Amino acid sequence: DAKTTQPNSMESNEEEPVHLPCNHSTISGTDYIHWYRQLPSQGPEYVIHGLTSNVNNRMASLAIAEDRKSSTLILHRATLRDAAVYYCILRRYGGSQGNLIFGKGTKLSVKP
Amino acid sequence: SQTIHQWPATLVQPVGSPLSLECTVEGTSNPNLYWYRQAAGRGLQLLFYSVGIGQISSEVPQNLSASRPQDRQFILSSKKLLLSDSGFYLCAWSARRAYYGYTFGSGTRLTVV
Repeated sequence: DAKTTQPNSMESNEEEPVHLPCNHSTISGTDYIHWYRQLPSQGPEYVIHGLTSNVNNRMASLAIAEDRKSSTLILHRATLRDAAVYYCILRRYGGSQGNLIFGKGTKLSVKP
Repeated sequence: SQTIHQWPATLVQPVGSPLSLECTVEGTSNPNLYWYRQAAGRGLQLLFYSVGIGQISSEVPQNLSASRPQDRQFILSSKKLLLSDSGFYLCAWSARRAYYGYTFGSGTRLTVV
């Protein structure tokens, strides 16, 4: 399975942008880049995903490097409710390799 | 819209007792279904996944089993619980293709005493 590498933790100030990096140097052409976040005592929540092009939705933006070996989740204005563990996961098209395998993620702290 | 239901929310069971956790999905058909476990302070571990009725794949050897008696029903069971089975159990569903995300249930916090 293709692996991802994320910093263990990051800090941000409220109402400032946050850039959460993820390295996936062994990504294959059929791997989708998924981001989830998990608030304390809750199940993970889907944030965004992409394949090659940058993606935007109401929660965040996903910037994907041209060689696809890294990506960045962008929270445009962090709020206290964004404090969570953020997981970057590669999901391969088809078969058991399409299952989401969670790593340790990045714990984001947001300071008021 | 699609919804996922998981119950109970919390459960305290003695060692050696049986376990049955149920998960149901509404508003979709032929979903992929998953059971994950998160031990205290640890990451999410995929336990089982299912691509159809009666089709169960196990990711790790353990004291647990899973069944899918209906298209949108997924059950996690154990005949005899161990202390190490304590954790936060999460059910999830996804559409078949990789460009769809997962939707997780609200979880069951199991404490084995």
